[in-house]
Amino acid sequence: DAGVIQSPRHEVTEMGQEVTLRCKPISGHNSLFWYRQTMMRGLELLIYFNNNVPIDDSGMPEDRFSAKMPNASFSTLKIQPSEPRDSAVYFCASSLGQGNSPLHFGNGTRLTVT
Amino acid sequence: GQQVMQIPQYQHVQEGEDFTTYCNSSTTLSNIQWYKQRPGGHPVFLIQLVKSGEVKKQKRLTFQFGEAKKNSSLHITATQTTDVGTYFCAGVGSARQLTFGSGTQLTVLP
Repeated sequence: DAGVIQSPRHEVTEMGQEVTLRCKPISGHNSLFWYRQTMMRGLELLIYFNNNVPIDDSGMPEDRFSAKMPNASFSTLKIQPSEPRDSAVYFCASSLGQGNSPLHFGNGTRLTVT
Repeated sequence: GQQVMQIPQYQHVQEGEDFTTYCNSSTTLSNIQWYKQRPGGHPVFLIQLVKSGEVKKQKRLTFQFGEAKKNSSLHITATQTTDVGTYFCAGVGSARQLTFGSGTQLTVLP
């Protein structure tokens, strides 16, 4: 079991640039979650998908953020244009279902926007 | 919306001392999960509690789910330096969504 795979591990970019974070969930898991973690705000749920369909995107900060899941094995989180306040660790997690199943987190992408 | 509060935010203990973190929900939960995040790492699932009043143990860790299914606790007996990290509770409410608490950051002094 390879676990949830995220790329890149680290991303440093300048304000205004587009950033794309990638995630490969565990095979067979049908729910995928994007979280953002900062010291100030802790773990925030941005969006989650069930069977590749976005179910709840109420946590997405603003229109600069978008997420897609074109198939069961791949998801992206895009920030365009990026701002310094977007600097955080972004985690992708997957699970077998909603609610009662534990989340398996990837190693995260540490994003720094200068 | 559902809120999950966790206290304390930080805890420093001497190695060998006990540690407890508490989790309280504004609504009744269907289940509660606990995760541990080591410094620089990612949250890792520890356990899930489902039944009212349930108590589960993992070696030196004891997890409890309240009778009203609105609170939970994690107790570590005789802490070790390997216990260092942030412990999160996460509750599932009626909307079947998982809400994370703010976490308790544990430091164990040797």
